[in-house]
Amino acid sequence: SYVLTQPPSVSVAPGKTARITCGGNNIGSKSVHWYQQKPGQAPVLVIYYDSDRPSGIPERFSGSNSGNTATLTISRVEAGDEADYYCQVWDSSSDHRVFGTGTKVTVL
Amino acid sequence: EVQLVESGGGLVKPGGSLRLSCAASGFTFSSYSMNWVRQAPGKGLEWVSSISSSSSYIYYADSVKGRFTISRDNAKNSLYLQMNSLRAEDTAVYYCARDFMPCSTSCPLGYWGQGTLVTVSS
Repeated sequence: SYVLTQPPSVSVAPGKTARITCGGNNIGSKSVHWYQQKPGQAPVLVIYYDSDRPSGIPERFSGSNSGNTATLTISRVEAGDEADYYCQVWDSSSDHRVFGTGTKVTVL
Repeated sequence: EVQLVESGGGLVKPGGSLRLSCAASGFTFSSYSMNWVRQAPGKGLEWVSSISSSSSYIYYADSVKGRFTISRDNAKNSLYLQMNSLRAEDTAVYYCARDFMPCSTSCPLGYWGQGTLVTVSS
């Protein structure tokens, strides 16, 4: 089955840039979506189709996808960005929706 | 405003059954694929099942295939998950989620309910 690997944690100072990677075999050929989940809350879509932003999501959130790695970038990080982040793809070979292992972003 | 409200969670013994419901409002339910995603305590997100708008296409995670059944009633704007032969490892918060837009299987999940907790324990 298709596996998406994320770093367990990323720490970043306020105002700096956080980059969260999502590794998968030839993930560049798939559409990647990213979700933010704060404690006790449901996930929220922050990036879809690699780099599109839903309305209401700050421009500070951006995404890219190439080769074996997709990346979610959070610029000018704020305290409110502290959350778990998950990447997700659809694996057409198994007809399964697959989530990444998740990354906890800590704002120092 | 899109609203998804799950219900039906609770405590059930191993081997037991439970039926989850998701009441949808604020959009044309019959136009969107729907999904169940779960999250075990302290763990990450795990996709459970998806159903297309007309129920023509249904998909299951390997971990629940043969035990869980997803269904929908477009006349009642409702999504269901029938869970049989429950195991301790099925303990999780179960979220109902709507595709962000009418699209194919690669669609992102744009709207989520608040979840309902299922606990499988003797």
